[in-house]
Amino acid sequence: EAAVTQSPRNKVAVTGGKVTLSCNQTNNHNNMYWYRQDTGHGLRLIHYSYGAGSTEKGDIPDGYKASRPSQENFSLILELATPSQTSVYFCASGGQFSNERLFFGHGTKLSVL
Amino acid sequence: GEKVEQHESTLSVREGDSAVINCTYTDTASSYFPWYKQEAGKSLHFVIDIRSNVDRKQSQRLTVLLDKKAKRFSLHITATQPEDSAIYFCAAVSSGSWQLIFGSGTQLTVMP
Repeated sequence: EAAVTQSPRNKVAVTGGKVTLSCNQTNNHNNMYWYRQDTGHGLRLIHYSYGAGSTEKGDIPDGYKASRPSQENFSLILELATPSQTSVYFCASGGQFSNERLFFGHGTKLSVL
Repeated sequence: GEKVEQHESTLSVREGDSAVINCTYTDTASSYFPWYKQEAGKSLHFVIDIRSNVDRKQSQRLTVLLDKKAKRFSLHITATQPEDSAIYFCAAVSSGSWQLIFGSGTQLTVMP
């Protein structure tokens, strides 16, 4: 099974600080995704990527940037973190087509104080 | 854009009973509907999916039904077991962005 590894697992940040969440996948998937999970909202798509060098905006991109420097790595960047970005963030990878299953990382719990 | 509504936020059943989780979607052109399971404190993993060319798919104790006219799909779990307790997310692929849109999740509790 595809392995998706996120780091860090937990992060406490200060308001206005910069936060980088990292994701690495070892199954050579083209597509990678960043979601946030909040009670009552399920998972919401922040950014996604079709391959190295590509980033696309998802449904809630404001306040977030993404970077895909290689096939394996996909980062989510919060340049100026705010308390409203306190959440659990999941990275996922998937094949070329949107009707293929996604493989999720274990999540990063981010608290912005 | 696509919206996926998951109707039950919580569901409790007795061990051995059946559980049904219902979802509706808005995009008539959606063609792929997966379900994911998230056990307590863990990540999500895929459990079953259905494509719009069929209206029923079964995998062991799980069955997914799709009603394209009503834009509704459901997950049926028979002979529930304690290990079925989890949050279940339905999802649909948006024909606009070709990305998965998730429902808000249903916390299923199987009571002994």
